[in-house]
Amino acid sequence: DSGVTQTPKHLITATGQRVTLRCSPRSGDLSVYWYQQSLDQGLQFLIQYYNGEERAKGNILERFSAQQFPDLHSELNLSSLELGDSALYFCASSVGAGGGLTDTQYFGPGTRLTVL
Amino acid sequence: GENVEQHPSTLSVQEGDSAVIKCTYSDSASNYFPWYKQELGKRPQLIIDIRSNVGEKKDQRIAVTLNKTAKHFSLHITETQPEDSAVYFCAANSGYALNFGKGTSLLVTP
Repeated sequence: DSGVTQTPKHLITATGQRVTLRCSPRSGDLSVYWYQQSLDQGLQFLIQYYNGEERAKGNILERFSAQQFPDLHSELNLSSLELGDSALYFCASSVGAGGGLTDTQYFGPGTRLTVL
Repeated sequence: GENVEQHPSTLSVQEGDSAVIKCTYSDSASNYFPWYKQELGKRPQLIIDIRSNVGEKKDQRIAVTLNKTAKHFSLHITETQPEDSAVYFCAANSGYALNFGKGTSLLVTP
């Protein structure tokens, strides 16, 4: 157990819908990262928040957004869902902000999203 | 952005043999290179990492080597066991983000 929690574990929804995925980082970690894992694309970095502020952005679609709250938990919002959005969504957390002294990222158990 | 290439995509070895997975990266500013192991349906777990100030790091049966000049790094697993079967991902930092290779599916047969 990494100490990072994610809810829900599974989510099944229809195209066009909107869902929210939740992540709580390890105690003391200030950074939260979101990744998408699909079969053919591996682990794709989406976005990072550090202490409530957006720090880095990867290949995140405009239909997706995220935020980090004062208690440091984070939510990833996926809207206008398409079949191709079906994937495992992981969050990870680390103590610091990353960058030149990048510290270890610990992954949560993931949320499996199925769009029908 | 950073591009991390990982080879091979699949690797099958017999128990007791060694396994080597290689990665290359493009961002010369990268200085942190972790390796993650992911078992089916589970989260990626860090197994070893190396920073750019060292060329090699070892932890029991696992070792990682880094060649900054050539921009490549490798994972070596010795005396493989069936429980080593999993998907292994390399990664390299680029700015604040980690960019991952596409993974190597390792199968260790008894």
